[in-house]
Amino acid sequence: AQSVTQLGSHVSVSEGALVLLRCNYSSSVPPYLFWYVQYPNQGLQLLLKYTTGATLVKGINGFEAEFKKSETSFHLTKPSAHMSDAAEYFCAVSVNYGGSQGNLIFGKGTKLSVKP
Amino acid sequence: NAGVMQNPRHLVRRRGQEARLRCSPVKGHSHVYWYRQLPEEGLKFMVYLQKENIIDESGMPKERFSAEFPKEGPSILRIQQVVRGDSAAYFCASSPPGLLREAFFGQGTRLTVV
Repeated sequence: AQSVTQLGSHVSVSEGALVLLRCNYSSSVPPYLFWYVQYPNQGLQLLLKYTTGATLVKGINGFEAEFKKSETSFHLTKPSAHMSDAAEYFCAVSVNYGGSQGNLIFGKGTKLSVKP
Repeated sequence: NAGVMQNPRHLVRRRGQEARLRCSPVKGHSHVYWYRQLPEEGLKFMVYLQKENIIDESGMPKERFSAEFPKEGPSILRIQQVVRGDSAAYFCASSPPGLLREAFFGQGTRLTVV
């Protein structure tokens, strides 16, 4: 069965600093991995996803993530934090239905705060 | 939030009443997923539906909760005899058929049981 663990429920960085949000997954088959962002009282917006191919994935708003199979990790990074990045971030793995991808299993989320 | 419409955005129900949450997927999407988000927790999968079919309901509570996605019209998540513990944000997502599907999320319905 697939599962996702996000290390750190709260992360605080200064504006302009590196953002690193950690995600480890468990999956018995090659996973599809996702990062979503949620702003207060809003739905989830897809930041980026890994399906197959290049392990370094670039997303919107300057975020990127690297799939590391040996470490079962899919950490999210951004070189320079902006105040507008303050939100909650969710890592997710897609459940495999016999070769088809189905619903998403989410981590508990990491709230990112950005200090001026 | 590319076109998934959920309504109402906010719903208040008294204990024992029924709650009906609606989700209109992106046009052309035939897969719908419902998730529940409790305070300070991530999203928990509830049910995965295709048109007129429940694919996976492993996350649905055994009692009081049901979901449907009819041939015509929106998907409905129905909660009978609501209790305070049902207060949460309920999110719907939809995706097209086929592999490598990307799910688009609605803005959620925030249910408050008083």
